[in-house]
Amino acid sequence: QVQLQESGPGLVKPSQTLSLTCTVSGDSINNNNYYWSWIRQPAGKGLEWIGRIYTRGSTNYNPSLKSRVTISVDTSKNQFFLELSSVTAADTAVYYCARKSPGYWYFDLWGRGTLVTVSS
Amino acid sequence: QSALTQPASVSGSPGQSITISCTGISGDFGSSKFVSWFQQHPGKAPKVMIYDVSNRPSGVSNRFSGSKSGNTASLTISGLQADDEADYYCSYTGSNTWVFGGGTKLTVL
Repeated sequence: QVQLQESGPGLVKPSQTLSLTCTVSGDSINNNNYYWSWIRQPAGKGLEWIGRIYTRGSTNYNPSLKSRVTISVDTSKNQFFLELSSVTAADTAVYYCARKSPGYWYFDLWGRGTLVTVSS
Repeated sequence: QSALTQPASVSGSPGQSITISCTGISGDFGSSKFVSWFQQHPGKAPKVMIYDVSNRPSGVSNRFSGSKSGNTASLTISGLQADDEADYYCSYTGSNTWVFGGGTKLTVL
C-alpha cells in the first residue's frame, strides 16, 4: 500500500525558511507516470496548491508563491522536499504532500498533513 | 488561470439531493476537462470524489456525480447521509498549475 508521510519542524520563526520532507513508501517515487505536489491549508480556510515536481526534476509553482518556493526530489531516498523562504504568520498552515494519479488529472494519494506554525 | 468560486455553505436533509457549484471567473476553466472534486472531513486529508468532470474513482459511492456546463462545474450528492457532512472543494489544472475553489461546507440537517 502506497503511503505518503510529511515530516519537518512544526515551528518556524518569521523570516526563516520552512523545510518539509515527504517520504513515499510502498512504491518507487521514480515513476514518470506520477508527479508530486505540495498543498497547504491554513486553519479554517481552503486548499492552496504550492507546486509540483516530476522525478526528472522539472517543477512548476503557484505564481503567488513562486519567488519563495523550491521543490526538489531525492529518488535514492524516495523523498521529495519543500522549502519556503522568508515565511510570515500567513504561511502558518497544514502542509500536505500529494501524488497526481498516473494517467489522470487529480490527486489520488495524500499524506496526513503536518502543521507548521510561524511564530517567534 | 481562473479563480474558482463556490458557495460557502449548502445544507440538506437525509435522503435529499444537493448540488454544489464551482464557477470559473476567467481563464481556461471553461474549456478544461480536468475538474475534480474533493471531500474533506475535519482533521483529515482531502479525498477525491470526482475526477475529469464526471468520473468516480473506484470505491466512491454512485450517489456522487459531477457535471460541467461552460464556466460552471457541479457536484451533486443524492440520498444524503450523515457522513456526507464535510467540506467540498473543486479543483482544476491548467497552464501547468492547479487551482482549488474556496470550499463549500455541507451540513446534513
